[in-house]
Amino acid sequence: DTGVSQDPRHKITKRGQNVTFRCDPISEHNRLYWYRQTLGQGPEFLTYFQNEAQLEKSRLLSDRFSAERPKGSFSTLEIQRTEQGDSAMYLCASTFDLTGGVYGYTFGSGTRLTVV
Amino acid sequence: AQSVSQHNHHVILSEAASLELGCNYSYGGTVNLFWYVQYPGQHLQLLLKYFSGDPLVKGIKGFEAEFIKSKFSFNLRKPSVQWSDTAEYFCAVNERNNNDMRFGAGTRLTVKP
Repeated sequence: DTGVSQDPRHKITKRGQNVTFRCDPISEHNRLYWYRQTLGQGPEFLTYFQNEAQLEKSRLLSDRFSAERPKGSFSTLEIQRTEQGDSAMYLCASTFDLTGGVYGYTFGSGTRLTVV
Repeated sequence: AQSVSQHNHHVILSEAASLELGCNYSYGGTVNLFWYVQYPGQHLQLLLKYFSGDPLVKGIKGFEAEFIKSKFSFNLRKPSVQWSDTAEYFCAVNERNNNDMRFGAGTRLTVKP
């Protein structure tokens, strides 16, 4: 499969626990994005990487959230001390782009997080 | 504030009807515009995009969209919908050289056979 892969597909966790999600982008893509989507809403931008550098973070990304992309390949998104409001679909997308989003993004299927 | 508005939350059509989904944005600079589709149980897929040139862009599956700069709009159209077009449609915008792509809330399209 040459698309964007996300793992796990579903995660149920108790409030206060930490969770980590993984995203494997398309191998030749240099940009990787994390979005969050809640029911009835469009995806909301969280953060983005160009290669291994995290270049932009949304104000939505509180200090409980951290993302990494070691070696510019896969990325992880960790949420510490989860809250019920963190329940959402977490989407990863990647693109190869040098001029500002021209090609559009390829999205993964997402990780659905439920905090109970 | 920068935003993307999709005014239709849910559209119900019969097969062969024509479709137009509205999208308006509030960015002041040069923008790239996209429509994504999400079929039931599947991931977001790019339907079409506009970044320059002819303001009427054609995408996959017979969809097209027209960029009207004066109206800050990028409406999606299809002359004759099929049952298989049942999905959620998202308009997205990002300013040129800005990587914060913003999405509208989406429009759910239901096509009755």
